Amino acid sequence: AQKVTQAQTEISVVEKEDVTLDCVYETRDTTYYLFWYKQPPSGELVFLIRRNSFDEQNEISGRYSWNFQKSTSSFNFTITASQVVDSAVYFCALSEWSDKVIFGPGTSLSVIP
Amino acid sequence: GAGVSQSPSNKVTEKGKDVELRCDPISGHTALYWYRQSLGQGLEFLIYFQGNSAPDKSGLPSDRFSAERTGGSVSTLTIQRTQQEDSAVYLCASSHRLSGGSRSYNEQFFGPGTRLTVL
Repeated sequence: AQKVTQAQTEISVVEKEDVTLDCVYETRDTTYYLFWYKQPPSGELVFLIRRNSFDEQNEISGRYSWNFQKSTSSFNFTITASQVVDSAVYFCALSEWSDKVIFGPGTSLSVIP
Repeated sequence: GAGVSQSPSNKVTEKGKDVELRCDPISGHTALYWYRQSLGQGLEFLIYFQGNSAPDKSGLPSDRFSAERTGGSVSTLTIQRTQQEDSAVYLCASSHRLSGGSRSYNEQFFGPGTRLTVL
C-alpha cells in the first residue's frame, strides 16, 4: 500500500532562515510520481513540483529546491531565505500505477517576521 | 472559467439530511478526484474517476457517500443522512495525462472546496 509520511507537524522559522520539509514515502511500484503542494491560509491548494521515480535529479526553482533520494524513499523540500509569504501548509503526495494520489498529513510552516 | 469550480462554496445542513456537492473540472481533463479535509488535517482521498474506467471508490468512508461523473465532465458527490463527523471541506481536483501511451502524469488542479457544516 502506498503511504506518505511528513513527520514535522509544525515548523516555525524566522524570516530569511532556510527550512527543510521532510517527506518519506512507501510504495511497491517501480514507477511512481511524487508531488509537493502548498496550501496558503486562503485554502486553495497550489501545485509546486512533480517528480517521477526515474528522475533523481535535484531541482531548484528560485528559493525552492527539492532533494529526491530513492535509496531512502525521501523527497525533501527546502526553502531558502524564507519569507512571510511562505507561511502555509505544505503537502507531499504520491501517485502509483493506479493514478490514485495519496497525500501526506502536511507540515504547517510559519515564517515569523 | 479556466480553473476547477465547486458549488456551493458553503453548505450548512442538519443532521440526517442529504447533500449534493458539485465539481466542474477543467475542460478536457480526464481525471477527477474528490478529497475531504477536516479542520487542521490532511487530505483524505475519497474517490477517483479516470476517463471511462470504473471509478476507484476505495476511499469512500461509508455507503452514505457516493459520487458520479456525468459525460466525463461534471461530478456530484452525494452524502446521505449526514452526520456531524461529515463536517469538513470537500475538495475536488482534476488532471490530464501528459501522454496516452506510456503512463505519464500531470499535476492536479484543485478547486476552492465546499465547506460542509452538519449541525
